[in-house]
Amino acid sequence: GENVEQHPSTLSVQEGDSAVIKCTYSDSASNYFPWYKQELGKRPQLIIDIRSNVGEKKDQRIAVTLNKTAKHFSLHITETQPEDSAVYFCAALSGAGSYQLTFGKGTKLSVIP
Amino acid sequence: NAGVTQTPKFQVLKTGQSMTLQCAQDMNHNSMYWYRQDPGMGLRLIYYSASEGTTDKGEVPNGYNVSRLNKREFSLRLESAAPSQTSVYFCASTRQNTEAFFGQGTRLTVV
Repeated sequence: GENVEQHPSTLSVQEGDSAVIKCTYSDSASNYFPWYKQELGKRPQLIIDIRSNVGEKKDQRIAVTLNKTAKHFSLHITETQPEDSAVYFCAALSGAGSYQLTFGKGTKLSVIP
Repeated sequence: NAGVTQTPKFQVLKTGQSMTLQCAQDMNHNSMYWYRQDPGMGLRLIYYSASEGTTDKGEVPNGYNVSRLNKREFSLRLESAAPSQTSVYFCASTRQNTEAFFGQGTRLTVV
């Protein structure tokens, strides 16, 4: 099955700096890569996603890049704000009819005011 | 439009007891998932159902069973609860290659 590795497990940045979280996946048939944000005590919620036919996608301060050859994808948050503090999860959806959605172990991001 | 609804929100079980976690979605999604979340372990897939009538094991299926009752409902059963099954359980649903929506979670404690 799919295996998703996520780094780092914790990340502290000063307010206004950028944050980068990296993930790798093992199944070359995976074709959809979402990122989720989870605040304490709440359910995960989608912040951005990318499909395998796209190399980069941006949404305001958030961007995701995908390198299919290397099987890795990254989340970039610019101009971080205290409300960005949360746990972030990457995930990969296996293709070839499997539809197994596998998550990384998460990154706890702390933005220091 | 409720999205994904999980019940119950909290549960305490004694070792050896059984229970069923219920999940229902009203978004006409094909795929449904059950995850458990433990500190530092992320979201680990227990079972999933790619479409009505099919179920498959995920990463940590031992001690659990599932039923895809119809397109809307996907239940998770613990036949004989163990302390190692103390966790937060999330149900999720998605149409293929689109956003997965999560339920509000069930906090289960097995004593």
